[in-house]
Amino acid sequence: DTGVSQNPRHKITKRGQNVTFRCDPISEHNRLYWYRQTLGQGPEFLTYFQNEAQLEKSRLLSDRFSAERPKGSFSTLEIQRTEQGDSAMYLCASSRGTAPNPYEQYFGPGTRLTVT
Amino acid sequence: AQSVSQHNHHVILSEAASLELGCNYSYGGTVNLFWYVQYPGQHLQLLLKYFSGDPLVKGIKGFEAEFIKSKFSFNLRKPSVQWSDTAEYFCAVPGSSNTGKLIFGQGTTLQVKP
Repeated sequence: DTGVSQNPRHKITKRGQNVTFRCDPISEHNRLYWYRQTLGQGPEFLTYFQNEAQLEKSRLLSDRFSAERPKGSFSTLEIQRTEQGDSAMYLCASSRGTAPNPYEQYFGPGTRLTVT
Repeated sequence: AQSVSQHNHHVILSEAASLELGCNYSYGGTVNLFWYVQYPGQHLQLLLKYFSGDPLVKGIKGFEAEFIKSKFSFNLRKPSVQWSDTAEYFCAVPGSSNTGKLIFGQGTTLQVKP
């Protein structure tokens, strides 16, 4: 497999602007996850897709955040009206979701967002 | 609720020293435990995992971890570290829902001095 890819790798935006990130999972993986990681912390779960269905969203995901996974392939994460507190690394991961290792996730390189 | 606690936030070792990083978890279901590693400038990658069977799990690059059910622990070990092991290490467990999301510990930064 070619691994999970994310674009862009870095994004600098001004407060109040909208940003969109893209994640391309490993092709045969039907589960896709978004996490957020801030400095000195472990990744925190944001949302989960099984195929095209968004099945879980964290309380961290305010109404300014929206994620989609049309056709169950790539996914996008959009942040509207960005705030400085949104500055973080946004990670995407995918997994097969089936035995023997349903929880084994493969992570992308992340998109580092800086809100000025 | 599921949670993970990593005791050591920053560890500095000399090359050839032995390593043990602590991880304690709170988890109500079937135990699945993971250690992920993030080398400088690289993405998170799976170091090793425990699902069932032998509680001593061997991973890549000479790392191993032991699942001790009575202590709710899954400590990471390596007998002799190398400079290239400098990285951030995360312990993780699945969340309570059946989605496969992972709950990560705060992470331990390991710095190995040559």
